[in-house]
Amino acid sequence: AQSVTQLGSHVSVSEGALVLLRCNYSSSVPPYLFWYVQYPNQGLQLLLKYTSAATLVKGINGFEAEFKKSETSFHLTKPSAHMSDAAEYFCAVKRGSTLGRLYFGRGTQLTVWP
Amino acid sequence: EPEVTQTPSHQVTQMGQEVILRCVPISNHLYFYWYRQILGQKVEFLVSFYNNEISEKSEIFDDQFSVERPDGSNFTLKIRSTKLEDSAMYFCASSEAAAHGYTFGSGTRLTVV
Repeated sequence: AQSVTQLGSHVSVSEGALVLLRCNYSSSVPPYLFWYVQYPNQGLQLLLKYTSAATLVKGINGFEAEFKKSETSFHLTKPSAHMSDAAEYFCAVKRGSTLGRLYFGRGTQLTVWP
Repeated sequence: EPEVTQTPSHQVTQMGQEVILRCVPISNHLYFYWYRQILGQKVEFLVSFYNNEISEKSEIFDDQFSVERPDGSNFTLKIRSTKLEDSAMYFCASSEAAAHGYTFGSGTRLTVV
């Protein structure tokens, strides 16, 4: 079975500070992992994905995530937060390349202070 | 950039009424999905659709739900007799291939009163 745990439902950082959003997964098979962002009143936008190639994945808006199999983690980072990064972030897992559902975490609300 | 389009953005319906949520997936995508997010809860999978049939459905997707691709562009979710607990944001998504990430629409907020 697949599942995702996002540690911290709310994260607050100052503008220019490091952003770290945590995601741990559980999967019975090699996973594909995703980070999505949701701005207010908008849909889920794909930030980046891991699909068994490079373990360090770069996404849009300066975000990146590193797949660590030994730690079953896929944490999202950005070196310097911007006010426009304030949004809700969702980590999701699916069973590799199969036609399978996404399992989402509960989400982390990121607040960026000026 | 291609988008998944959902209509309406917000729908209010009375308990027991039927609703149809509409989605236009990205034109060259072959895989279609519905997810929902009850306020304050996780985004949950409802159903996936490929080659004109349901490929997977969750335990949430019971007999009151149905999906259809009535023509080459639309993908609909019908809720036959709405309940208060069906109030949620419903997201449509599509994917070019099973290995790819999904593109989600902006969602339809369904409120059952």
